[in-house]
Amino acid sequence: KQEVTQIPAALSVPEGENLVLNCSFTDSAIYNLQWFRQDPGKGLTSLLLIQSSQREQTSGRLNASLDKSSGRSTLYIAASQPGDSATYLCAVPDRGSTLGRLYFGRGTQLTVWP
Amino acid sequence: GAGVSQSPSNKVTEKGKDVELRCDPISGHTALYWYRQSLGQGLEFLIYFQGNSAPDKSGLPSDRFSAERTGGSVSTLTIQRTQQEDSAVYLCASRRDSGDTQYFGPGTRLTVL
Repeated sequence: KQEVTQIPAALSVPEGENLVLNCSFTDSAIYNLQWFRQDPGKGLTSLLLIQSSQREQTSGRLNASLDKSSGRSTLYIAASQPGDSATYLCAVPDRGSTLGRLYFGRGTQLTVWP
Repeated sequence: GAGVSQSPSNKVTEKGKDVELRCDPISGHTALYWYRQSLGQGLEFLIYFQGNSAPDKSGLPSDRFSAERTGGSVSTLTIQRTQQEDSAVYLCASRRDSGDTQYFGPGTRLTVL
């Protein structure tokens, strides 16, 4: 069974800092990895999806990397802003599949203060 | 276009009652998922529908939980004889046939007293 771990569980930083959120997974036979953002009381918003053939994916101030062989991904947030405050979740699909369920980490709760 | 919608947004019920939670996926999305998010447990998969195939029910925690998807669109998650441990946010997601990304609804917060 796939297990996904996220470190740290919580992070509180002043505005402007560059951040790294970590995700690790136990089964490296994945086709992709996805990072989501969840605001309090809301659903999940997809931020980035990295295919297993890719090393990294970028969207604005966000950059996600994937090292499948070591079972790790990082989400880099540049020049953090208070609006980035949310919980960040990483998720991977079942081994060898892109279609079924996702396995989620417990998330990193980020607070960026002005 | 419209995203995934869920109703009700909040549901408070008494222990032992049955509840129904509804999910309207994005139009044209063939895959539909239910997850549960509870304190201390993170996000757990419940059930997955793909087109006309038999659903993957491997995540349902007990036989009190069931789900249907009518006409390949709307889905209803039913919890019978609710227990306090069923209190959680129930999230629905949908995915288009050729895509990898799951799009999530806002969730239904269920509280069992």
